[in-house]
Amino acid sequence: DVVMTQSPLSLPVTLGQPASISCRSSQGLVHSDGNTYLKWFHQRPGQSPRRLIYQVSNRDSGVPDRFSGSGSGTDFTLKISRVEAEDVGVYYCMQGTHWPPTFGGGTKVEIK
Amino acid sequence: EVQLVESGGGLVQPGGSLRLSCAASGFTFSNFLMTWVRRAPGKGLEWVATVNQGGSEVYYVDSVKGRFTMSKDNAKNSLSLQLNSLRVEDTAVYFCLRGGAHEVDRWGQGTLVTVSS
Repeated sequence: DVVMTQSPLSLPVTLGQPASISCRSSQGLVHSDGNTYLKWFHQRPGQSPRRLIYQVSNRDSGVPDRFSGSGSGTDFTLKISRVEAEDVGVYYCMQGTHWPPTFGGGTKVEIK
Repeated sequence: EVQLVESGGGLVQPGGSLRLSCAASGFTFSNFLMTWVRRAPGKGLEWVATVNQGGSEVYYVDSVKGRFTMSKDNAKNSLSLQLNSLRVEDTAVYFCLRGGAHEVDRWGQGTLVTVSS
């Protein structure tokens, strides 16, 4: 199975400051159809996960533009340009290129 | 509004069975692949199974093959997961998701399955 490694595990951030989460895969994530099926989800406390980003860098409808995804090959990044209070929670990356799909272990974002 | 509501979780002994359900609304259910994912206590998220739009093809991860059966009823907008020969390591919150590996986007709130004697 493809191993997805996220870092850091915990990320204390100051409101209004940027934040960055790394996700590395044990294999390249380019599918035979040419797409890279790397997604980011955000889970707020007490809620189910919500997709933020699909295919590396495409924001879902309603996702603020302070969120951006980037990367290629085996290295991917989720960036928050200016953290807001509602951004706390756990962020997961997920690959859907290889079977079975696999998730990163999660990064917990909290406000300092 | 897309809604996925799981039910059927509970406490079961090792070797026992349980049937989970997921009621879907707010979208054209028959157009979507559907998926079950689980999270064991203190562990990460694990993909369990995916079914195609019509319900005729199901793909399972190795750890549940031969024990779990996923089905999709487009007439009732309903998904189910039959869990047989349960093991302690199957203890987890089970989530119903819209989509398959390439396009999964929405999650239900989850239902807890506890396998213990």
